Amino acid sequence: AQKVTQAQTEISVVEKEDVTLDCVYETRDTTYYLFWYKQPPSGELVFLIRRNSFDEQNEISGRYSWNFQKSTSSFNFTITASQVVDSAVYFCALTTYSGGGADGLTFGKGTHLIIQP
Amino acid sequence: NAGVTQTPKFQVLKTGQSMTLQCAQDMNHNSMYWYRQDPGMGLRLIYYSASEGTTDKGEVPNGYNVSRLNKREFSLRLESAAPSQTSVYFCASSGPTGNTEAFFGQGTRLTVV
Repeated sequence: AQKVTQAQTEISVVEKEDVTLDCVYETRDTTYYLFWYKQPPSGELVFLIRRNSFDEQNEISGRYSWNFQKSTSSFNFTITASQVVDSAVYFCALTTYSGGGADGLTFGKGTHLIIQP
Repeated sequence: NAGVTQTPKFQVLKTGQSMTLQCAQDMNHNSMYWYRQDPGMGLRLIYYSASEGTTDKGEVPNGYNVSRLNKREFSLRLESAAPSQTSVYFCASSGPTGNTEAFFGQGTRLTVV
């Protein structure tokens, strides 16, 4: 069975602070894929990043960066110099591939990020 | 470029009523999914269809049925709605392997009274 744990239910910071959202995953598969999605107050799900289990290279995209560590089964997400528009619920998710197609995402329960002006 | 389209956006049902949630994607994706989102629970997989002609149960399939009508369309049916099925439902689609992101519809907010 797969599991994704986002231990931080809610984080509140003041604008311009850096903030890290934690994600820990469990899977028995050696090939798997990790994702982060953003859900703003409007409710849609916005894809942020994808990583496969063979690619531990960290990634930076503007103010966003991701730290993937297989040794600790973690895929953490950092927002640098946070802005009010970053306020949203952020989900970490995991999927595997059974050969017949992608098996569907296992989501964490989400972290509600509040950026105060 | 519509992506994934769900209908309806909102629905109120009485306990015991039935309804079908419709989903269509125009990205030629093989795989389609139905999730439900409840407060504090994240999204949970109800059913998925890895390819046209196949469907499989996800984490929370009880009380639901699905039909993969063709490659574009994947519907979710509630035969006898219960208050526990009050939720926000999301349809999604993705390419044939896990190495592609899933694209989500706008969601259907369903209330069962």
